[in-house]
Amino acid sequence: DIQMTQSPSSLSASVGDRVTITCRASQSIPNYLNWYQQKPGKAPKLLIYAASSLQSGVPSRFSGSGSGTDFTLTISSLQPEDFATYYCQQSYSFPYTFGQGTKLDIK
Amino acid sequence: QVQLQESGPGLVKPSETLSLTCNVSGGSVSPDYWTWIRQPPGQGLEWIGYVHASGSTNYNPSLKSRVTISVDTSKKQISLKLSSVTAADTALYYCARIPNIDSWPFDYWGQGTLVTVSS
Repeated sequence: DIQMTQSPSSLSASVGDRVTITCRASQSIPNYLNWYQQKPGKAPKLLIYAASSLQSGVPSRFSGSGSGTDFTLTISSLQPEDFATYYCQQSYSFPYTFGQGTKLDIK
Repeated sequence: QVQLQESGPGLVKPSETLSLTCNVSGGSVSPDYWTWIRQPPGQGLEWIGYVHASGSTNYNPSLKSRVTISVDTSKKQISLKLSSVTAADTALYYCARIPNIDSWPFDYWGQGTLVTVSS
């Protein structure tokens, strides 16, 4: 299985901050990398697919980059509604696997 | 807009079979893939498997011997069966759609249904 490792596991930040979350795959996954946001009691929501494509309806302050084994999710200016847990997920090979999550909370 | 709604028993006894249904509305089951993901309370996400509208499937090897995912295109339903459950199968179970696009993301999700395994 491909292991997905996110860093940091938790992060405290303030409204207006620029935040970057990193996801590393245990082997190359070209650009088969997706990012999700999950708020408490809610289903995950797709933010970014194919490493850098913004899902329809997602604010442009979210962006993704990377290829191969190293990927990043950046939020350019944190808004109050962005405090949540973020997961990366690879769909390059079976079984599909997720990172352990990064919990973003208010400083 | 595609909407997904999971349903099924919230409590299952150990060694029995967990059975869930996902109803699709606002769109067709074809030609997409449909997947199940689970999340134990307070933990991360685990992919269970998927079914294509044609009926072809792919399962997580960690669950393969116990899981069956099927599709009924006429009823617009996706089903999950997980046999011989234990407490470790207690989780929030989600169904989601995988469109046929780059990187096969899970773009629409149901709200999830909590299944507790307990006697």
